[in-house]
Amino acid sequence: TQLLEQSPQFLSIQEGENLTVYCNSSSVFSSLQWYRQEPGEGPVLLVTVVTGGEVKKLKRLTFQFGDARKDSSLHITAAQPGDTGLYLCAGAILTGNQFYFGTGTSLTVIP
Amino acid sequence: DAMVIQNPRYQVTQFGKPVTLSCSQTLNHNVMYWYQQKSSQAPKLLFHYYDKDFNNEADTPDNFQSRRPNTSFCFLDIRSPGLGDAAMYLCATSSRTVYGYTFGSGTRLTVV
Repeated sequence: TQLLEQSPQFLSIQEGENLTVYCNSSSVFSSLQWYRQEPGEGPVLLVTVVTGGEVKKLKRLTFQFGDARKDSSLHITAAQPGDTGLYLCAGAILTGNQFYFGTGTSLTVIP
Repeated sequence: DAMVIQNPRYQVTQFGKPVTLSCSQTLNHNVMYWYQQKSSQAPKLLFHYYDKDFNNEADTPDNFQSRRPNTSFCFLDIRSPGLGDAAMYLCATSSRTVYGYTFGSGTRLTVV
């Protein structure tokens, strides 16, 4: 059973377009992270959100944590080819040492 | 810079020949993880260490073993690699006081 579902699974867009990736669960998380992974590399942490309703901005990337801390979204404005990669959300539950990964969204930005 | 280092970056092994992948960290994080990742899929947790306490995932094959001789190092041993074990293997660390993982660059394992 997958704890975190991401949508869409694959996304191919033109440079300059906007996009939103969703990360949904029926479980409550104490914190949620977003990672970007480029081919042949390990995932790199982009952001951590902790408070329900929290919004964080990282240049053209906007991250939101749901009020109930069960879901999150990543919005990219004016996508660039350098944004291409696998985007992963990962949630931490209140107990335990593990972060649960979402199913992943593979983004391709076409120049 | 503090980081997580995996060696080697690329490993080719023969079917059935034992192989060891290594991971070291300078972050002094008390939790270390091994993940298996196949093409464009989310990483799948194999096991993790909380300090010296070993935690195996229920569906991790017995073919996979791990050792953590000290805080800084962790090893993944694959006793008899099969073709289905070809994947990217990722090591990650975390601290209970810090949110999020720090990943190494991974080891790409090819089984021939």
